[in-house]
Amino acid sequence: QSALTQPASVSGSPGQSITISCAGVGNGIGGNDLVSWFQQHPGKAPKLLIYEVSNRPSGVSGRFSGSLSGNTASLTVSGLQAEDEGDYYCCSYVGNTIVVFGGGTKLTVL
Amino acid sequence: QVQLQQWGAGLLKPSETLSLTCAVSGGSFSGSYWSWIRQPPGKGLEWIGEVNYRGRINYNPSLKSRLTISLDTSKNQVSLNLTSVTAADTAVYYCARSLLLTAYINWGQGTLVTVSS
Repeated sequence: QSALTQPASVSGSPGQSITISCAGVGNGIGGNDLVSWFQQHPGKAPKLLIYEVSNRPSGVSGRFSGSLSGNTASLTVSGLQAEDEGDYYCCSYVGNTIVVFGGGTKLTVL
Repeated sequence: QVQLQQWGAGLLKPSETLSLTCAVSGGSFSGSYWSWIRQPPGKGLEWIGEVNYRGRINYNPSLKSRLTISLDTSKNQVSLNLTSVTAADTAVYYCARSLLLTAYINWGQGTLVTVSS
């Protein structure tokens, strides 16, 4: 089963931009656009930020953007705000009817 | 607006069967995927499996031998059964709805299931 690799933590100051990477292993995530990103605050259910690599659901701030290059997807958060602090997960369909989540990245706003 | 309300036993002994139900309100089953996702305390998310509105089911291979996911369209409910649980199955379990694979747009409130003797 493929795994998605994310950095354990990233940090940035208010107003700055940060990028979280999600590297596919094995079958990888390149080759399909079924990549999503989620934000999770402590004690809460995850919230969908990005789907199909770069699409934002209605109501999600334009400060969140997604991209894909080869077997690595990325989530960029621009204009960092204190409320952006939390855990972020990538998720991808990796073939053979299997969905995989990345290990998660803790974003700290300094 | 689609809402997911889930329930089930929160404390199990090893070898027992975990059973959770997720009731869907405010939306149609048609065109949706219904998934179960879990999160061990302090750890990341794990996809358990899914059923689509046509009844097609996909399971996480690591859980497949113990897992049953089913759909009751007459009650607008999705169910999860996981047999022979161990402490490693202790987690918050979420049901989730998506219109596209991986795009889980609606989530249940989560149910903490603890397996302990």
